[in-house]
Amino acid sequence: EDQVTQSPEALRLQEGESSSLNCSYTVSGLRGLFWYRQDPGKGPEFLFTLYSAGEEKEKERLKATLTKKESFLHITAPKPEDSATYLCAARGGYNYGGSQGNLIFGKGTKLSVKP
Amino acid sequence: NAGVTQTPKFQVLKTGQSMTLQCAQDMNHEYMSWYRQDPGMGLRLIHYSVGAGITDQGEVPNGYNVSRSTTEDFPLRLLSAAPSQTSVYFCASSPEIGGGYGYTFGSGTRLTVV
Repeated sequence: EDQVTQSPEALRLQEGESSSLNCSYTVSGLRGLFWYRQDPGKGPEFLFTLYSAGEEKEKERLKATLTKKESFLHITAPKPEDSATYLCAARGGYNYGGSQGNLIFGKGTKLSVKP
Repeated sequence: NAGVTQTPKFQVLKTGQSMTLQCAQDMNHEYMSWYRQDPGMGLRLIHYSVGAGITDQGEVPNGYNVSRSTTEDFPLRLLSAAPSQTSVYFCASSPEIGGGYGYTFGSGTRLTVV
């Protein structure tokens, strides 16, 4: 069964304290690993897509990396405005009985950054 | 503004009532989907569509119907509301089901069934 697991569930950081969020996945025929940001009361906002092990993408203080089993979202010197829930999602192959190429989401990591 | 528009933003239903959640996008995206988001459960796929006239079930389809008569619109119908359907519902769209495009999400409909 295709599955995406995120850890930790919640993370509290002081402003400037760098850390990483983890996303482990078991998906048949990975066709993309996605990261989203979700603010309270809003829909998820797309951040990155990663395709292959070793790939990295950056946006401001965020950097996403991918291995064959995990993805990490590194947050460097975070600011209070980085506080949000970060969602990871994987897209598998078009296998019968599976996710049929739809995104499978993890439960998210709620990040709080205190000034 | 281009994007995904969901209406209503909030709704309270009584058990047994029916209603339709509306979703419209103006980006000419072929792929559209409905997710529900519950505390501790993450986003779960209800139904999806890869083009006008084509729909399929996701992980949690029971109690919901969809149709896709145009590229722009993808309404979600609750046939007979139950308290277990209390949730936040998100509609999402993408140019296609495959490829590296991230989904564009609407702002959500918060539904309470009493």
